[in-house]
Amino acid sequence: EAGVTQFPSHSVIEKGQTVTLRCDPISGHDNLYWYRRVMGKEIKFLLHFVKESKQDESGMPNNRFLAERTGGTYSTLKVQPAELEDSGVYFCASSPRQRRTSDTQYFGPGTRLTVL
Amino acid sequence: AQKVTQAQTEISVVEKEDVTLDCVYETRDTTYYLFWYKQPPSGELVFLIRRNSFDEQNEISGRYSWNFQKSTSSFNFTITASQVVDSAVYFCALSEAGSNSGYALNFGKGTSLLVTP
Repeated sequence: EAGVTQFPSHSVIEKGQTVTLRCDPISGHDNLYWYRRVMGKEIKFLLHFVKESKQDESGMPNNRFLAERTGGTYSTLKVQPAELEDSGVYFCASSPRQRRTSDTQYFGPGTRLTVL
Repeated sequence: AQKVTQAQTEISVVEKEDVTLDCVYETRDTTYYLFWYKQPPSGELVFLIRRNSFDEQNEISGRYSWNFQKSTSSFNFTITASQVVDSAVYFCALSEAGSNSGYALNFGKGTSLLVTP
């Protein structure tokens, strides 16, 4: 069974540009999460999808971030326009069943975003 | 407020030594879940264990063992006879059933473990 995959693995962009990160969850997993870790800080929750619906986006830092999950499959996270403080590692995770807080979240390798 | 505290930022041990990684958590929920993840140099977060708040039984998996103590709000992780391949960053995380972010993991800052030959 393939794990969670993320693309790209690295992205270097200039301030003001747009970047789109992609996450493919484990097949059949209804739940998809985005997290990020900025330098020296904890890994922080951004948002949670259940299938194609946003269940919780309380962690999204501001309206420069837009997440979508078309058809309940893969998800994209767009940053527009990117700022220096957006640099960090963006992780995606998925878990199988709806409404089960105990379900283990399985993580992808992350996308390292550098904004210059 | 910090919900998960990993006080040890970096630990260095020599191969075959035992090492314990500390994790202290804070929650008002009676139902919650605790996790440990390993981040090797390749970067992905690898799931190690999940524990629910009603199960204080300690767990052993090979060289890994976990000590869950509700009385001290701790969920410590011990590696016995450490190996170079254990070198990684280890994260402790908490999920609270009653949280507004019901399914979000609250992570500690991680402990970087270096095992030298």
